[in-house]
Amino acid sequence: DGGITQSPKYLFRKEGQNVTLSCEQNLNHDAMYWYRQDPGQGLRLIYYSQIVNDFQKGDIAEGYSVSREKKESFPLTVTSAQKNPTAFYLCASSQGGPSGNTIYFGEGSWLTVV
Amino acid sequence: AQSVTQLGSHVSVSEGALVLLRCNYSSSVPPYLFWYVQYPNQGLQLLLKYTSAATLVKGINGFEAEFKKSETSFHLTKPSAHMSDAAEYFCAVTIYQKVTFGTGTKLQVIP
Repeated sequence: DGGITQSPKYLFRKEGQNVTLSCEQNLNHDAMYWYRQDPGQGLRLIYYSQIVNDFQKGDIAEGYSVSREKKESFPLTVTSAQKNPTAFYLCASSQGGPSGNTIYFGEGSWLTVV
Repeated sequence: AQSVTQLGSHVSVSEGALVLLRCNYSSSVPPYLFWYVQYPNQGLQLLLKYTSAATLVKGINGFEAEFKKSETSFHLTKPSAHMSDAAEYFCAVTIYQKVTFGTGTKLQVIP
């Protein structure tokens, strides 16, 4: 089945650690996105990528990094510079840009700082 | 700048009653509008979208939404609520490749 796979579903990070969230899609979509979701704040864009080897910062990129070495993969690293990383993280993709195109989401990953 | 406002962070309806979730947007150009649904601990999935064709858009699970340019609204409705409709609903607007999500409305369905 086509879709977006995020792993792990639950992740715990110690203070000062970097952690990486995996996102893989087999929809052959060009564009991929990372969103952060906090209660009552909706979805906020962290990074997005329109094509391989290219990505742009979203609204809350500080403390995060990404790479897009393959079309199907868009991993997100939460660095120790992100002071409040506890949240639900959603990876998404779309065929071309988001304008008029449906954005498809993965099942999400919970990150908790311990 | 574009924005989207969802009125009411929580809405409760009785099973079988009308569901009305409100969404207003601001945009200087014709927008693309979407409604997504999120069940607990899952990602979002598309309910329906408006892309400048018919102003009344029908989606999955019996939901529909009407684009009203004069009111800058795109409210989501369903004639009869079902227990399985309990979820969080997000309105989104896309203009010039930038998508903005509303803050969401949690729908509670009371038996």
